[in-house]
Amino acid sequence: GDSVTQMEGPVTLSEEAFLTINCTYTATGYPSLFWYVQYPGEGLQLLLKATKADDKGSNKGFEATYRKETTSFHLEKGSVQVSDSAVYFCALIVQEDSSYKLIFGSGTRLLVRP
Amino acid sequence: KAGVTQTPRYLIKTRGQQVTLSCSPISGHRSVSWYQQTPGQGLQFLFEYFSETQRNKGNFPGRFSGRQFSNSRSEMNVSTLELGDSALYLCASRTGTRYTGELFFGEGSRLTVL
Repeated sequence: GDSVTQMEGPVTLSEEAFLTINCTYTATGYPSLFWYVQYPGEGLQLLLKATKADDKGSNKGFEATYRKETTSFHLEKGSVQVSDSAVYFCALIVQEDSSYKLIFGSGTRLLVRP
Repeated sequence: KAGVTQTPRYLIKTRGQQVTLSCSPISGHRSVSWYQQTPGQGLQFLFEYFSETQRNKGNFPGRFSGRQFSNSRSEMNVSTLELGDSALYLCASRTGTRYTGELFFGEGSRLTVL
């Protein structure tokens, strides 16, 4: 079945360091891919998305490119801030008839130290 | 525009009891989905409702049920609670009229079963 695998955390970085969180997926067809972020004590927020191969999603300095050939959607940021500390979830969307559901990866906790 | 509102935010129950959680979607959104988040299983899809009809259901036992009202508000119920039902229950809404790929999440209801 469809699934998402992302690197285990926690990932601990110093402020201004470069961030990469790996995400690979298994799916039939070419699903849309997403990164959601969960700040402490909050629900999930959409960070960025890509709907087809080679699309690059970007938001708040984060980027991810939909790579069909490697079935990957790695999240990157050139210079992280303390405020980026959160849990990041990679996800794909599955359509079943007229319903949609998200398949999430296990989440990667990012801790950025000043 | 108000976001997705979930009540209660926190609750404690004992094994064997039942619980009802409520979700008010963003105004104009007709689809409501529910997800369970636990440290061990991550984020898992429970069900989706659209226009008062259940459109999709995840792999959960029949103790988990839900419904949606004519104003799009949704409730989920868990009967005969087990320790393993302790989790953050997240509600998400989308317009349902056009697929945009984005779900808007509430802050969740944290259930503790003793």
